[in-house]
Amino acid sequence: ETGVTQTPRHLVMGMTNKKSLKCEQHLGHNAMYWYKQSAKKPLELMFVYSLEERVENNSVPSRFSPECPNSSHLFLHLHTLQPEDSALYLCASSLIAGGYNEQFFGPGTRLTVL
Amino acid sequence: GIQVEQSPPDLILQEGANSTLRCNFSDSVNNLQWFHQNPWGQLINLFYIPSGTKQNGRLSATTVATERYSLLYISSSQTTDSGVYFCAVERRDDKIIFGKGTRLHILP
Repeated sequence: ETGVTQTPRHLVMGMTNKKSLKCEQHLGHNAMYWYKQSAKKPLELMFVYSLEERVENNSVPSRFSPECPNSSHLFLHLHTLQPEDSALYLCASSLIAGGYNEQFFGPGTRLTVL
Repeated sequence: GIQVEQSPPDLILQEGANSTLRCNFSDSVNNLQWFHQNPWGQLINLFYIPSGTKQNGRLSATTVATERYSLLYISSSQTTDSGVYFCAVERRDDKIIFGKGTRLHILP
């Protein structure tokens, strides 16, 4: 499989649930990103990882917890979310971070919090 | 912080028409990228274009960094071109800012 993949594609969860979003890139990139896209809002950068180290955290609430075990995989662990967290969560990768490189996006996970 | 303004916010065209989408940014940027988000939400990389002009089939883009704008041209529009087009800029401090997008509807 090529490119950037995300699972699951759709997720419905209650506010007390704990779930994780998974992103995998098959491009040999060293940087990975989480974005949030809410309805009628611009895309928001949440986290940036470069060589498995977090280099950016844009004031994201602690109920979102990223994990990057290696340069090919990125997780977003979710717990005690709020209905306003319902959004499309996009993962992206690039060759390197901090020195903008072309980003390639996964298909996204559409999250609904009830 | 830097402002990224895209225009028009919405555009409805008949199949076969040409269109120009604009991205203005308020400060110097390191780089700029154009994306197409299809109706299923998937974000597709179109152009990585910090300056100059690039072409890919019916699409082309021009960035004039000194004047702080970029244009995306779509010629002979097809219904599959429908979706939202985003530009994203990288600020001098490496932060990435997206515009709000242009929603394009191509009618058959």
